[in-house]
Amino acid sequence: DTGVSQNPRHKITKRGQNVTFRCDPISEHNRLYWYRQTLGQGPEFLTYFQNEAQLEKSRLLSDRFSAERPKGSFSTLEIQRTEQGDSAMYLCASSPTRGQGTGEAFFGQGTRLTVV
Amino acid sequence: QKEVEQDPGPLSVPEGAIVSLNCTYSNSAFQYFMWYRQYSRKGPELLMYTYSSGNKEDGRFTAQVDKSSKYISLFIRDSQPSDSATYLCAMTRTKGDTGRRALTFGSGTRLQVQP
Repeated sequence: DTGVSQNPRHKITKRGQNVTFRCDPISEHNRLYWYRQTLGQGPEFLTYFQNEAQLEKSRLLSDRFSAERPKGSFSTLEIQRTEQGDSAMYLCASSPTRGQGTGEAFFGQGTRLTVV
Repeated sequence: QKEVEQDPGPLSVPEGAIVSLNCTYSNSAFQYFMWYRQYSRKGPELLMYTYSSGNKEDGRFTAQVDKSSKYISLFIRDSQPSDSATYLCAMTRTKGDTGRRALTFGSGTRLQVQP
């Protein structure tokens, strides 16, 4: 499978616990994005990496959220002290380098987080 | 007001109909436009990607961009029950040397194609 891979697919956690999600992008893609999607809404941008550098973070990404991409390949998204409002689908996407203006991105299947 | 507006539907059509899905946007800095299809509990799947104003066709799908009106459309010809999904428009702009790559999405239109 050469698509974007996300693990786990589902996660149920108790409020206050920490969770970590993993994303493996398409191998030749150097750009990686995290999005969050709630029911009935489109995905909302969280953060963006080019190789290992985190170049942009949304104001949605509170201090409880941290993302890494240590070797420019896979990425992790950690949420500390989870709250019920964190319940959502967390989507990872990757895109190739193609000049200055591409926005074309390919998404994984997402990790559905439920905080109880 | 959201930067990208999209009618949530649901839009119900009979099999074989031509479907028209639309988005409007407010920020003229958006340069690149995409349509994604999302089945229930799955990630979005890229359908169409366009840069300039005008039409782009791929099989049964045609994407149309009118930058002067800040309006984009997706047409689906000969619609099939398997086209039943949520359709999301998305767009990007560039910002500085790093080029802001993040997508701004509409809220999605739910389409149901009745057999």
